[in-house]
Amino acid sequence: DQQVKQNSPSLSVQEGRISILNCDYTNSMFDYFLWYKKYPAEGPTFLISISSIKDKNEDGRFTVFLNKSAKHLSLHIVPSQPGDSAVYFCAASANAGGTSYGKLTFGQGTILTVHP
Amino acid sequence: NAGVTQTPKFRVLKTGQSMTLLCAQDMNHEYMYWYRQDPGMGLRLIHYSVGEGTTAKGEVPDGYNVSRLKKQNFLLGLESAAPSQTSVYFCASSSRDPFLRAFFGQGTRLTVV
Repeated sequence: DQQVKQNSPSLSVQEGRISILNCDYTNSMFDYFLWYKKYPAEGPTFLISISSIKDKNEDGRFTVFLNKSAKHLSLHIVPSQPGDSAVYFCAASANAGGTSYGKLTFGQGTILTVHP
Repeated sequence: NAGVTQTPKFRVLKTGQSMTLLCAQDMNHEYMYWYRQDPGMGLRLIHYSVGEGTTAKGEVPDGYNVSRLKKQNFLLGLESAAPSQTSVYFCASSSRDPFLRAFFGQGTRLTVV
């Protein structure tokens, strides 16, 4: 039972264009969402996050949008750069009640390739 | 600033052998985790710890044991390795902040033959 799903295994975009990565979740208890970026042979690194009390969070070229009614979030990268080529993981946690202890539920990942 | 360090980076085991993966963090984080990454599955939580001397099961704990004798270290043990445990293992740590973001180690690629 995959509670966090990234239905696109891969995405290919041209340098300078927008990359949109999508993520869906089923657990309505999730209230905090994160995106991690992973290069080959390295561990995931934190990219950006959003709380369920917001619908948008921006950090430079990266913006995350949250649609709670649809249980859907997306990561927008504008403009895309070749160095953004990596695997992107969506993750979620249920923090209300203080018992999640930071445990994350991950999606399967999307391989982003940005062509020069 | 080492962050989270995993030892070893690579290992090949024969079925039935045992081994211990070591994770060390220097950020004074309370929480530590072990995840495994398999193709098409994302990362799945094996075990976690909310403080020195405490451990708890995650989503896929079978076949693994853990210990956290010191705050900065979190050990993952495989008592009798099986081919199904071939995976990439990631250790992570996070603080007790309300909005927790985990910091990950570089991973250990384990192959069980």
